[in-house]
Amino acid sequence: QSVLSQPPSVSGTPGQRVTISCSGSTSNIGSNAVNWYQQFPGMAPKVLIYTNSQRPSGVPDRFSGSKSGTSASLAISGLQSEDEADYYCAAWDDDLRGPVFGGGTKLTVL
Amino acid sequence: QITLKESGPTMVKPTQTLTLTCTFSGFSLSNSGVAVGWIRQPPGKALEWLGTIFWDGDTRYSPSVKTRLTFTKDTSKNQVVLRMTNMDPMDTGTYFCAHRRGGYTSGYYETWFDPWGQGTLVTVSS
Repeated sequence: QSVLSQPPSVSGTPGQRVTISCSGSTSNIGSNAVNWYQQFPGMAPKVLIYTNSQRPSGVPDRFSGSKSGTSASLAISGLQSEDEADYYCAAWDDDLRGPVFGGGTKLTVL
Repeated sequence: QITLKESGPTMVKPTQTLTLTCTFSGFSLSNSGVAVGWIRQPPGKALEWLGTIFWDGDTRYSPSVKTRLTFTKDTSKNQVVLRMTNMDPMDTGTYFCAHRRGGYTSGYYETWFDPWGQGTLVTVSS
């Protein structure tokens, strides 16, 4: 059971906009920044969004992050087939004194 | 360019000790603020933070594995070593090391892992 809650799966068609939610608590998302990672099968995760809404260089602006209270969201607009991957949210947890991850969301592009 | 790579056994027996090495380049773990984390992922499951080692030798471990885990660093070799005792089949998974970015600013943690090593699959089986 992961500390942060994500839907197990989401799907969309090419060109569509999809969002992935991440729910936490006051000890993690409510108090600290949220990051999002993208992971393709058999590969290492790669940071997609850091500090709630910042994109590393090279990440398309189709990907955006937001945070409100104890929840966060990752939005992907103009969905493409190559976006099909697993997405994980993460945040520092003050009680654990370390980062916690969500259970992951599998994005399927129909 | 920062790179990291994990190495070690692909299989260990229950009750044995696992030793993994993370060899990195592009940064120095002797510089203030620098840290390396270890994260694992059981097959088909989510990511789990195991712990972090800092430039000053300080270590933080997840409570779930704290009593079994030790991190050490060799700055001259640009390596971090993970040692986990009393391995169990539940410890089977891919183990990643990763460079930590960000830090603690004004009462607010904004840290993330970037980049990650390719990971190494460890199977615990008799």
